[in-house]
Amino acid sequence: AQSVAQPEDQVNVAEGNPLTVKCTYSVSGNPYLFWYVQYPNRGLQFLLKYITGDNLVKGSYGFEAEFNKSQTSFHLKKPSALVSDSALYFCAVRDLGGSYIPTFGRGTSLIVHP
Amino acid sequence: DAGVIQSPRHEVTEMGQEVTLRCKPISGHNSLFWYRQTMMRGLELLIYFNNNVPIDDSGMPEDRFSAKMPNASFSTLKIQPSEPRDSAVYFCASTYGQYEQYFGPGTRLTVT
Repeated sequence: AQSVAQPEDQVNVAEGNPLTVKCTYSVSGNPYLFWYVQYPNRGLQFLLKYITGDNLVKGSYGFEAEFNKSQTSFHLKKPSALVSDSALYFCAVRDLGGSYIPTFGRGTSLIVHP
Repeated sequence: DAGVIQSPRHEVTEMGQEVTLRCKPISGHNSLFWYRQTMMRGLELLIYFNNNVPIDDSGMPEDRFSAKMPNASFSTLKIQPSEPRDSAVYFCASTYGQYEQYFGPGTRLTVT
């Protein structure tokens, strides 16, 4: 079985400040982890992924995520937030040895204040 | 590439009518997913196709919903008869193998 949790429904941050959107996961085997972003009235858009290798993954728009196996976490980060980063963010996981169907979190609404 | 294409973008229909949503995946992708998104339930997987074959349809709400993928470049999701509780945004996503999914812009369905 696989599952993912995004503990915060909403994250508020001031423009220019660093941001973190949290994600924890559970899989039987090795995880394949993703972050997606959804802007209003749009489909989900792939940001970055982790399969193996360096625990710090860099993605689109200056975002990065850190894989932490001991804490089963894959938090999304950005050093300096922009108002245009305001959107809904989804974490997803699938078990590398399992089904090709990923499990998505419920999403976290990021609001960046000017 | 044009990305995943969905039509129509908006659909308003009356309860009891048949609704057909369409999806054209990215060329070369061999997996296709249909999702439904609502405020109450978030993002729900309805059905997953691999190489045009339905692999997992456990998320299809009931017999009123059906999905087909007659070839690698086209899929439909049909609701018959439609009900107000079917109102949602329906997304199609495609991928190659086990990699990241590419989502279409969605179809916003309103059933009155």
